Amino acid sequence: GQNIDQPTEMTATEGAIVQINCTYQTSGFNGLFWYQQHAGEAPTFLSYNVLDGLEEKGRFSSFLSRSKGYSYLLLKELQMKDSASYLCAVRGGRSNDYKLSFGAGTTVTVRA
Amino acid sequence: EAGVAQSPRYKIIEKRQSVAFWCNPISGHATLYWYQQILGQGPKLLIQFQNNGVVDDSQLPKDRFSAERLKGVDSTLKIQPAKLEDSAVYLCASSWGDRGPEAFFGQGTRLTVV
Repeated sequence: GQNIDQPTEMTATEGAIVQINCTYQTSGFNGLFWYQQHAGEAPTFLSYNVLDGLEEKGRFSSFLSRSKGYSYLLLKELQMKDSASYLCAVRGGRSNDYKLSFGAGTTVTVRA
Repeated sequence: EAGVAQSPRYKIIEKRQSVAFWCNPISGHATLYWYQQILGQGPKLLIQFQNNGVVDDSQLPKDRFSAERLKGVDSTLKIQPAKLEDSAVYLCASSWGDRGPEAFFGQGTRLTVV
């Protein structure tokens, strides 16, 4: 099976930086995803890491260390619209039978 | 490119009744997922299809839930009979698979069982 852990809640101030950590255990790792989900809406894709290192996309960056089973999502220059749940998801299992499993999500609240 | 389509958007039923949800994935996407998301939790994978074959259904309560993917395109998820604890949002998602692993989600169906 797959275990995915992330903090439940984080609060930060507008313009600040927040780092959301995710640790996972899986067999046959084949990629880690971050999704953003606003209340009452469907998750939307933010980033994908399959190799170790940092992927930067505008104000959002995602890091992966496969040996440590660890990832983080970094949100810079926080805006009020970034208040949402951030979901860590891992693709793992047997080759040709990879399944996509999600963590419980981290609710980020941005305060003025 | 059209997104993942789901219907209905909302459904209210009494316990022990049956209900069905429909999903039309993005054209050409081989992988289709059904997730159950209870309020305040992350999405829980119920079943994953690769074309019209099942990749994983280990968390599908098979005594009451069933799903099929007709001709490797559209999919339906059925609950019969429903229980109060089935109240949740049912999300359908699709992806290219190995050609492009990120999953794209539909708007979901919010089910309330009373």
